[in-house]
Amino acid sequence: DGGITQSPKYLFRKEGQNVTLSCEQNLNHDAMYWYRQDPGQGLRLIYYSQIVNDFQKGDIAEGYSVSREKKESFPLTVTSAQKNPTAFYLCASSIWDRGIYEQYFGPGTRLTVT
Amino acid sequence: DAKTTQPNSMESNEEEPVHLPCNHSTISGTDYIHWYRQLPSQGPEYVIHGLTSNVNNRMASLAIAEDRKSSTLILHRATLRDAAVYYCILRGDRYSGSARQLTFGSGTQLTVLP
Repeated sequence: DGGITQSPKYLFRKEGQNVTLSCEQNLNHDAMYWYRQDPGQGLRLIYYSQIVNDFQKGDIAEGYSVSREKKESFPLTVTSAQKNPTAFYLCASSIWDRGIYEQYFGPGTRLTVT
Repeated sequence: DAKTTQPNSMESNEEEPVHLPCNHSTISGTDYIHWYRQLPSQGPEYVIHGLTSNVNNRMASLAIAEDRKSSTLILHRATLRDAAVYYCILRGDRYSGSARQLTFGSGTQLTVLP
């Protein structure tokens, strides 16, 4: 089945460590996105990518990095510079050349840093 | 970016219709109105979208005011599985900056009572 895969579902790390969250899609979508969600809040955009080897900062990119070496994959690294990394992280994708856009979301990764 | 205003929470009885309101008084002529919903601990999922005319799909109906400054998501018969946070989002067309993002507010938490 087509969809977006995020792994792992739960992730625990010690403060000061970098951690990479995986996001894979087999929908053949051009655009991919990373969001962060804190308890009781809406989603906030971290990074997005319209095509391979290109990505743009979203509203809260500080302390995060991404790469887009393949169309199917858009991993997110939470670096030690991110002051409050504990959150629910959501990856999404959308078809870029459609006139009307719909984003498809993965199941999310809940990151806890202690 | 144009913003939306939604009630923080609403309640409905099972098998009754639910009307979820959204105000977007600063909407521009090219902004589409999108609705997404998020079940607990899951990624958001697309519900419906529209531009000017009312829209129906298998999940819901979208009623858009004539001046487009407000809209209402209608669930015709609420079920317990419809309990979620519902987000009303404005999204620009392909050639405007907001086309690349979905800006999520805090949404409306819908509780469905058995």
